[in-house]
Amino acid sequence: GAGVSQTPSNKVTEKGKYVELRCDPISGHTALYWYRQSLGQGPEFLIYFQGTGAADDSGLPNDRFFAVRPEGSVSTLKIQRTERGDSAVYLCASSLSPAGLTDTQYFGPGTRLTVL
Amino acid sequence: RKEVEQDPGPFNVPEGATVAFNCTYSNSASQSFFWYRQDCRKEPKLLMSVYSSGNEDGRFTAQLNRASQYISLLIRDSKLSDSATYLCVVPSGAGGTSYGKLTFGQGTILTVHP
Repeated sequence: GAGVSQTPSNKVTEKGKYVELRCDPISGHTALYWYRQSLGQGPEFLIYFQGTGAADDSGLPNDRFFAVRPEGSVSTLKIQRTERGDSAVYLCASSLSPAGLTDTQYFGPGTRLTVL
Repeated sequence: RKEVEQDPGPFNVPEGATVAFNCTYSNSASQSFFWYRQDCRKEPKLLMSVYSSGNEDGRFTAQLNRASQYISLLIRDSKLSDSATYLCVVPSGAGGTSYGKLTFGQGTILTVHP
């Protein structure tokens, strides 16, 4: 079946601009996660949704970052007033359910954001 | 101490070699652990899960030492296709289950050469 999809695959923007990154999870997955990966580092947690609500947003670096999942499926990560330090690959993952030891997070291909 | 710490490598090994990666974690409440594989410019993919003392899947063996808060991944008979970055992953959610947040190590780069 279809995996996690993310659009766009690449986004180049200028410092100070607003960007939106979209994630379409695997059908039926109730949990959705956003991570950010900088070059040479492992992914870093940003936010996790269970259904429509953000269950844990402790990884969002500051108030320029915001994410929504209004219908419990597609999610959008929004970044205001982008800075060069925001350049990274933004990864989305989904899982069937957040609970249980056997839960697996499946990752999308990521959006490579470059802020000039 | 970092939540999850790995030797970044790189490890360069010939085909057929056995190679082991180590990972230490700080959250003693964690109950499950994962190794993900990430190819260059691709997304991470689950390689193995570890819930008890260890897990074996073909050429890959993962071992867990809870007392030392240490996880290892052993690859036997390395193939060219094993070249990738291997990420040690520890859930950081409530009760140390896979609930929510995963914390990733920096990743260990493996290159298998002919």
